[in-house]
Amino acid sequence: SQQGEEDPQALSIQEGENATMNCSYKTSINNLQWYRQNSGRGLVHLILIRSNEREKHSGRLRVTLDTSKKSSSLLITASRAADTASYFCATGGSGNTPLVFGKGTRLSVIA
Amino acid sequence: DAEITQSPRHKITETGRQVTLACHQTWNHNNMFWYRQDLGHGLRLIHYSYGVQDTNKGEVSDGYSVSRSNTEDLPLTLESAASSQTSVYFCASSDSNSPLHFGNGTRLTVT
Repeated sequence: SQQGEEDPQALSIQEGENATMNCSYKTSINNLQWYRQNSGRGLVHLILIRSNEREKHSGRLRVTLDTSKKSSSLLITASRAADTASYFCATGGSGNTPLVFGKGTRLSVIA
Repeated sequence: DAEITQSPRHKITETGRQVTLACHQTWNHNNMFWYRQDLGHGLRLIHYSYGVQDTNKGEVSDGYSVSRSNTEDLPLTLESAASSQTSVYFCASSDSNSPLHFGNGTRLTVT
């Protein structure tokens, strides 16, 4: 069963705007990761945040993690048409537990 | 450059046939995973392996099998293909506690 649940399922914005996607999960985690998938391709890792971290940045990406609410958000600032893709959160448990993925958010950035 | 390759990219087969999907990685990763991706379900884990001769069942393992005879390869076999197994299949690999590297997927259609 899915651990992470992304919200919204789909998001359409204008180029230059910020895009925010949310992920909620059910059980305790060791880390939470965000991946991106372009149409017809495999997923690509974007950023990993550990359970003892609250915020992490990578270029135009900002990820927050609230373990008390079991939720995370991915913010893409100053979006570009090339950011159009599906974005997935994935949760990792303790040890070497396989990642469990959510259903994804489909982002469309309109030029 | 290291990579993970899936073959074939597209496959059409008939109900009841045995089908094997190939996955080959040159990252020298111990961990390898098979996921299927379906609309409305996101990615679901089929089987995974943490090393040679090690295999484990995932969330949706019924009707599938894997074997790990070397570090580089984890072929996925559908023993008797069913229409419910029409899907896009992704292979991924990783080191312990590191992000996943995905292949570009195999689109399988069972008629």
